[in-house]
Amino acid sequence: GENVEQHPSTLSVQEGDSAVIKCTYSDSASNYFPWYKQELGKRPQLIIDIRSNVGEKKDQRIAVTLNKTAKHFSLHITETQPEDSAVYFCAASNFNKFYFGSGTKLNVKP
Amino acid sequence: GAVVSQHPSRVICKSGTSVKIECRSLDFQATTMFWYRQFPKKSLMLMATSNEGSKATYEQGVEKDKFLINHASLTLSTLTVTSAHPEDSSFYICSASPGGKNQPQHFGDGTRLSIL
Repeated sequence: GENVEQHPSTLSVQEGDSAVIKCTYSDSASNYFPWYKQELGKRPQLIIDIRSNVGEKKDQRIAVTLNKTAKHFSLHITETQPEDSAVYFCAASNFNKFYFGSGTKLNVKP
Repeated sequence: GAVVSQHPSRVICKSGTSVKIECRSLDFQATTMFWYRQFPKKSLMLMATSNEGSKATYEQGVEKDKFLINHASLTLSTLTVTSAHPEDSSFYICSASPGGKNQPQHFGDGTRLSIL
């Protein structure tokens, strides 16, 4: 089955700095890679996703890059704000079964 | 759009009780729903795929007799934790997607299950 690894497990940045979270996956058949943000005790919320036919996607302060050859993808958040503080999960999917990374707790210090 | 509702949000019960959790897609039909388990400060672990009108498919290591899944309609899947014990205490969360293959999953609010 699919194995998704995510790093770092915790990330602390100063407000306004950039944050980068990286994930690797093992199943070359995976072709959809969403990123979710989860606040404590709440449901995960989709923030951005990328499909395997695309190398990069951007939505305002958030961008995701995908390297299919190396089987890794990354989340980039620029100009971080305190409200970006949460746990972020990457996932890899094939045929709608999602396998999640272990999560990154992002702390944005004001 | 694409709202998934999960009920109850919290359950506290005695060991040996069976607990049913409902997952509903409110504004779309879902032939497939997914059930996850999340331990504190850990990731979401896929437990099973709930298939409307047929048996659920379970991930390796998940006991199908312990976690009964029923997907009787296109908008409702239920997870029953049978004869629950303290080690079953966890956050259970479902997801569904209105689209076809490889579309974003929308999550319910989750159910925090505490077995005394």
